[in-house]
Amino acid sequence: DQQVKQNSPSLSVQEGRISILNCDYTNSMFDYFLWYKKYPAEGPTFLISISSIKDKNEDGRFTVFLNKSAKHLSLHIVPSQPGDSAVYFCAVFSNTGNQFYFGTGTSLTVIP
Amino acid sequence: DAGITQSPRHKVTETGTPVTLRCHQTENHRYMYWYRQDPGHGLRLIHYSYGVKDTDKGEVSDGYSVSRSKTEDFLLTLESATSSQTSVYFCAIIRGLAGDGEQFFGPGTRLTVL
Repeated sequence: DQQVKQNSPSLSVQEGRISILNCDYTNSMFDYFLWYKKYPAEGPTFLISISSIKDKNEDGRFTVFLNKSAKHLSLHIVPSQPGDSAVYFCAVFSNTGNQFYFGTGTSLTVIP
Repeated sequence: DAGITQSPRHKVTETGTPVTLRCHQTENHRYMYWYRQDPGHGLRLIHYSYGVKDTDKGEVSDGYSVSRSKTEDFLLTLESATSSQTSVYFCAIIRGLAGDGEQFFGPGTRLTVL
């Protein structure tokens, strides 16, 4: 069973507009949530994270929102830039399981 | 740059042959991970290690074994490769002593099993 789901395989956004990437998870025991960015032929790179005690974390153009009751995580990028074009993975972590689970990824294209 | 290298970067092999992938880190981190990335599946954990000779299974461990005899090296072995193991394999580490926090990934190994 997929513990983490990213239901949109792809997303296209105009440069300067907001990109919203979504992620749903199944287990309420997850307590740490992360977003990674991946360019072709490279390993994923960490972008931003949030712990379960918070509902928002901001880092420059990137903001992650956590809705624990809905088991939903989202990443907002504003303003979007062409260099943001990449595949974005959400990941979750449980201290009890000591493992990370990744979503299937969303390919973001920012159109100049 | 977390000082993670993977070797080989590309490999083509035949069904039934053994294959070993190497992950090397230069910073002596405790936790190391092996993932595979496949279309439609994202990244899935194969095995991880929390110290020398300490390893545990991930969600897709069947057909894989690992060894960690030194802090800096984490080896992933396919005892008898199958076509379903064609994938891109990523190694990752976590900085610090706890098993949480952000992971840093290596550049990946593209494995093709014919």
